[in-house]
Amino acid sequence: KAGVTQTPRYLIKTRGQQVTLSCSPISGHRSVSWYQQTPGQGLQFLFEYFSETQRNKGNFPGRFSGRQFSNSRSEMNVSTLELGDSALYLCASSLAGSLEANYGYTFGSGTRLTVV
Amino acid sequence: AQKITQTQPGMFVQEKEAVTLDCTYDTSDPSYGLFWYKQPSSGEMIFLIYQGSYDQQNATEGRYSLNFQKARKSANLVISASQLGDSAMYFCAMSTGGFKTIFGAGTRLFVKA
Repeated sequence: KAGVTQTPRYLIKTRGQQVTLSCSPISGHRSVSWYQQTPGQGLQFLFEYFSETQRNKGNFPGRFSGRQFSNSRSEMNVSTLELGDSALYLCASSLAGSLEANYGYTFGSGTRLTVV
Repeated sequence: AQKITQTQPGMFVQEKEAVTLDCTYDTSDPSYGLFWYKQPSSGEMIFLIYQGSYDQQNATEGRYSLNFQKARKSANLVISASQLGDSAMYFCAMSTGGFKTIFGAGTRLFVKA
């Protein structure tokens, strides 16, 4: 079966711009979570969506937002980019959320964002 | 507060030997799940193994086993018969009922031929 697809794989943006990242979960998976990974901070939780509803949000400024569509595809948006937003952004899908333990998360390959 | 701690930034192991990667956790929730993920240099995170807080037996998946000691709040990953392809970052993670999984800082494993 197809895995989690994240697009684009690489992105270079200028400070002040905005960016939209896309994630298509595994077919049938209704929960999508987003993480920011940096060498200094590790994996930081951004938000989780289930059936188009945000169920949890991490400690990120309001410049970071997301949404989920009826087909479970999700997008995250970062506005007014800062240099510190440079990171690997990972999307993960699961059947029903964090306690769907038998499956854990299936992660995408990530989008590497570089802000210059 | 919920927390995952991995105290080994890097580990070396000889090919074909076993290795234990440490993980301790902290939560006041009685129901939680513990996970291990592998991240090769390609960047993709790969789910390895899961342990539920109410599971009586330690989880095993092929060469991976999770040494779950609930009273000590530890969930160490044991990899038996290490292979060169096991060289990667390994993350311990925990989820509770808040629809969020938190990750430790990771341990980089180097397998020597």
